[in-house]
Amino acid sequence: AQSVAQPEDQVNVAEGNPLTVKCTYSVSGNPYLFWYVQYPNRGLQFLLKYITGDNLVKGSYGFEAEFNKSQTSFHLKKPSALVSDSALYFCAVSASSSNTGKLIFGQGTTLQVKP
Amino acid sequence: KAGVTQTPRYLIKTRGQQVTLSCSPISGHRSVSWYQQTPGQGLQFLFEYFSETQRNKGNFPGRFSGRQFSNSRSEMNVSTLELGDSALYLCASSSGDYWGTSYNEQFFGPGTRLTVL
Repeated sequence: AQSVAQPEDQVNVAEGNPLTVKCTYSVSGNPYLFWYVQYPNRGLQFLLKYITGDNLVKGSYGFEAEFNKSQTSFHLKKPSALVSDSALYFCAVSASSSNTGKLIFGQGTTLQVKP
Repeated sequence: KAGVTQTPRYLIKTRGQQVTLSCSPISGHRSVSWYQQTPGQGLQFLFEYFSETQRNKGNFPGRFSGRQFSNSRSEMNVSTLELGDSALYLCASSSGDYWGTSYNEQFFGPGTRLTVL
């Protein structure tokens, strides 16, 4: 069975500092991994994805994520946080064997960036 | 290109009633997925449609159903509403053909906030 874990309910970081939001996954076969962000009263916005290839994936708004197969992790990172990055972040996985648009989401991590 | 639209944005119903939510995907997208978001359970997959066929279904009771039309627009229906059905219902669309959509990012609508009293 597929699953995603985001071990931190909340991450606090000062503006200008680097940020990391953690995600680990479990899936049969090759994983397709995604990060989404949700602002209050809004739907989810796609940030980036890992399908295959380079383990470091670059996405929107300066975010990047590192795929680590041995640790089954896909942590979201940003070199310098902005106050406007404060939001709810979701990691999600689908399986290459699935062939359908079924995403399994983690519980979400609230990122709080303080000025 | 217009994004995913969902109507209505807000709904208030009472227990026992039924409700229909609508979703219009991005033009050209044939895959439409539905998710339920609650504070307790997080984001849970309801079902996915591709070219009018339900391809995958989550672990929800039969009171939750959906359909997709030939123009890819989708509806989901919840019958005999329960208090626990109060949630944000999100629709998402993605591109790809029948044999490969799991690697495509999904584009989400703003959601329909359903409150059951």
